[in-house]
Amino acid sequence: NAGVMQNPRHLVRRRGQEARLRCSPMKGHSHVYWYRQLPEEGLKFMVYLQKENIIDESGMPKERFSAEFPKEGPSILRIQQVVRGDSAAYFCASSPGLNSNQPQHFGDGTRLSIL
Amino acid sequence: AQSVTQPDIHITVSEGASLELRCNYSYGATPYLFWYVQSPGQGLQLLLKYFSGDTLVQGIKGFEAEFKRSQSSFNLRKPSVHWSDAAEYFCAVSSGNTGKLIFGQGTTLQVKP
Repeated sequence: NAGVMQNPRHLVRRRGQEARLRCSPMKGHSHVYWYRQLPEEGLKFMVYLQKENIIDESGMPKERFSAEFPKEGPSILRIQQVVRGDSAAYFCASSPGLNSNQPQHFGDGTRLSIL
Repeated sequence: AQSVTQPDIHITVSEGASLELRCNYSYGATPYLFWYVQSPGQGLQLLLKYFSGDTLVQGIKGFEAEFKRSQSSFNLRKPSVHWSDAAEYFCAVSSGNTGKLIFGQGTTLQVKP
């Protein structure tokens, strides 16, 4: 019974490169959330997706960041032209339904380091 | 706007002592409230949740939390702390009909032997 799987666990990029973070939700979960945890801070919501749809991207930076959750395959958080300030832990969570009372299950995160 | 405040950034308790971590929320409707725990380098594990009903909720690892609407609080408690409880604890409220979580800043718990 696999939980939420995120890969890679650690990712190192140089400034200006692209970072791709992947998230496979728990079996039976069709709702995916991405959060970012900056050093010494709590988690901040970024984006909420269902299969092939972005439902709420109110927490996404306006530029360089994008997310998708295709019909087949994992959800992808993409950061183009990374900068030092993108260094953070990125967490994916999934839930089975629309109701707010469905708790989210978290992956172990991707730690992104920008050189 | 919805928000969650955890007033204590760091707390140190002795092993075997009782623990209370504070959480205050601001939310217009009936809140869905959560406590998560994060060990270093790991993801978040759900400790307990409050949706409705009994205001005292039991969670895993011997934790409990009490929802107090009049105080807008959802404090986490444990009667006797174990060294393995050392971690960071996050209180969260579920926002609107999208289910996105709004987190507090977190409280780091240190346990003295």
